[in-house]
Amino acid sequence: DQQVKQNSPSLSVQEGRISILNCDYTNSMFDYFLWYKKYPAEGPTFLISISSIKDKNEDGRFTVFLNKSAKHLSLHIVPSQPGDSAVYFCAASAAGTASKLTFGTGTRLQVTL
Amino acid sequence: EAGVVQSPRYKIIEKKQPVAFWCNPISGHNTLYWYRQNLGQGPELLIRYENEEAVDDSQLPKDRFSAERLKGVDSTLKIQPAELGDSAVYLCASSLNQEKQFFGPGTRLTVL
Repeated sequence: DQQVKQNSPSLSVQEGRISILNCDYTNSMFDYFLWYKKYPAEGPTFLISISSIKDKNEDGRFTVFLNKSAKHLSLHIVPSQPGDSAVYFCAASAAGTASKLTFGTGTRLQVTL
Repeated sequence: EAGVVQSPRYKIIEKKQPVAFWCNPISGHNTLYWYRQNLGQGPELLIRYENEEAVDDSQLPKDRFSAERLKGVDSTLKIQPAELGDSAVYLCASSLNQEKQFFGPGTRLTVL
């Protein structure tokens, strides 16, 4: 059973516009969420995280929003840049830390000129 | 700072053959993880080490998979014998205590 779901396999956005990547989860015990970015032939790299005690976390162009009642989180990238083109994975942990992660299936973001 | 190093980067073997992957974590990171990533999927944890102790190996198929982390630094993941369904990317990650994980580039295994 897929406890972390990314229902959009791909997303195309114009440079300069906002990219919104979505993630849903089913396990109510998850209390820590992360986004990773992955380029081809490289391992995932950490992007941003959020604890369940918050509903928003911002880091530069990247903002993650958490809606606990809906079991939904989203990653906003503003403005989108061509270098943001990658696969984005949502991950969740029930341990309050980043130690035991359950990953989603990923969303491929393409930022076009 | 050097990142997580994995070798080989690519491996092609025939089914029923053994294969081993090696990982060197970031210096000072006490926690080491092995993941398997199938095509179109996210990484799935196989085993987690705290120093030299395997603290979570519940998802490791123990009939054919084994892992070790000598002296709490480098780690090796072995498959013997390999099956067609083992074709995947094997990722190693490390972290300091239970903070964010840093991933290596992975080993892409193809079993023919």
